[in-house]
Amino acid sequence: GAGVSQSPSNKVTEKGKDVELRCDPISGHTALYWYRQSLGQGLEFLIYFQGNSAPDKSGLPSDRFSAERTGGSVSTLTIQRTQQEDSAVYLCASSSPDSSGANVLTFGAGSRLTVL
Amino acid sequence: GQNIDQPTEMTATEGAIVQINCTYQTSGFNGLFWYQQHAGEAPTFLSYNVLDGLEEKGRFSSFLSRSKGYSYLLLKELQMKDSASYLCAVRVGGSTLGRLYFGRGTQLTVWP
Repeated sequence: GAGVSQSPSNKVTEKGKDVELRCDPISGHTALYWYRQSLGQGLEFLIYFQGNSAPDKSGLPSDRFSAERTGGSVSTLTIQRTQQEDSAVYLCASSSPDSSGANVLTFGAGSRLTVL
Repeated sequence: GQNIDQPTEMTATEGAIVQINCTYQTSGFNGLFWYQQHAGEAPTFLSYNVLDGLEEKGRFSSFLSRSKGYSYLLLKELQMKDSASYLCAVRVGGSTLGRLYFGRGTQLTVWP
């Protein structure tokens, strides 16, 4: 697609429920990133996929968080047994090598998660 | 860990020039980025520096000093639409596709 697409755009859930957030990266982009943005906070790195390499999961805050990327394209971020502190905007980005070396991350509009 | 600092808020008037500073302490520096984020929207890329010096792109310029761990974003001829949060981010590690570490952002308000 033309840009990074995320769904749902808004999700309200009850504490203890599981949620799945989906990211469709730009076609052909080899790298995919998940970040979390809480109110008044910077973007917090969660996980990063690059090609067929093992993902960098070092930013996942707890074992309730997991993510997968199927076929090198679509990614799903799953949060199990949601807690109120999980409320945030979850941003997905993708990138690919470019001639400038910047390899700019292009972000989606995010999925706003509210845990009641 | 990585430490990236930038002012929380700045204000300026339409037509003026504003400089947003960013200092960082990281290991394995591999590029510095500035992003703009309007409220409720995705961050959008503004500039990239990997070598020392100034990069100019229209009304926006970005400067980097690697020895000082310092960057600034310069916005000229400010317009109301420039009111947004400006995010400084550093890439670390050997891969040019590596993750970015972000500062908390500087909320810029442009007054008429």
